[in-house]
Amino acid sequence: DGGITQSPKYLFRKEGQNVTLSCEQNLNHDAMYWYRQDPGQGLRLIYYSQIVNDFQKGDIAEGYSVSREKKESFPLTVTSAQKNPTAFYLCASSTRGTYNSPLHFGNGTRLTVT
Amino acid sequence: SQELEQSPQSLIVQEGKNLTINCTSSKTLYGLYWYKQKYGEGLIFLMMLQKGGEEKSHEKITAKLDEKKQQSSLHITASQPSHAGIYLCGAIPAGGYSGGSNYKLTFGKGTLLTVNP
Repeated sequence: DGGITQSPKYLFRKEGQNVTLSCEQNLNHDAMYWYRQDPGQGLRLIYYSQIVNDFQKGDIAEGYSVSREKKESFPLTVTSAQKNPTAFYLCASSTRGTYNSPLHFGNGTRLTVT
Repeated sequence: SQELEQSPQSLIVQEGKNLTINCTSSKTLYGLYWYKQKYGEGLIFLMMLQKGGEEKSHEKITAKLDEKKQQSSLHITASQPSHAGIYLCGAIPAGGYSGGSNYKLTFGKGTLLTVNP
């Protein structure tokens, strides 16, 4: 079945270390997204990519970086510059923009930084 | 920027009861999505509404978008424990395709629904 795979499900890191979250989709979607979810704050957009080799900052991009070298993959790196990295991270994809195509979500990665 | 207010923040109902969750926008919307999330998991798409006055149903869940396209409600009839979870609305503001707005879905903070058997 087609879908979005995020790995790992749980990730623990020490403060000051960079960490990369994986997101792979086999839905043949052009657009991919990274959201961060914190208790009481809903989902906030970190980065999105409309097409391979292109990506744009969302609302909270500081301290994060992404790449989109393949259509299927959109990894997110949480750098040591991110002040509050502990959160639940969700990757999503859509056929194209969200005006007429819903987002399909992975099952998330819970990152804990101590 | 686009803001979505959801109410209530949390809701506890007895199995079999009806309930309504609201999502209100500060701006006119192009469209609105409803999603459901189990704790610690991803979001599952429920419905999308685009036209003023539009109403859609799936099983026991009905979503409506008002004529002004600023408010939506999600109604569950005869709730079951399987309906428990977090319900989130996500929306795109009206106003065209410029600036990547087509890709910037804004979400409400969610409504936590508990259904007691």
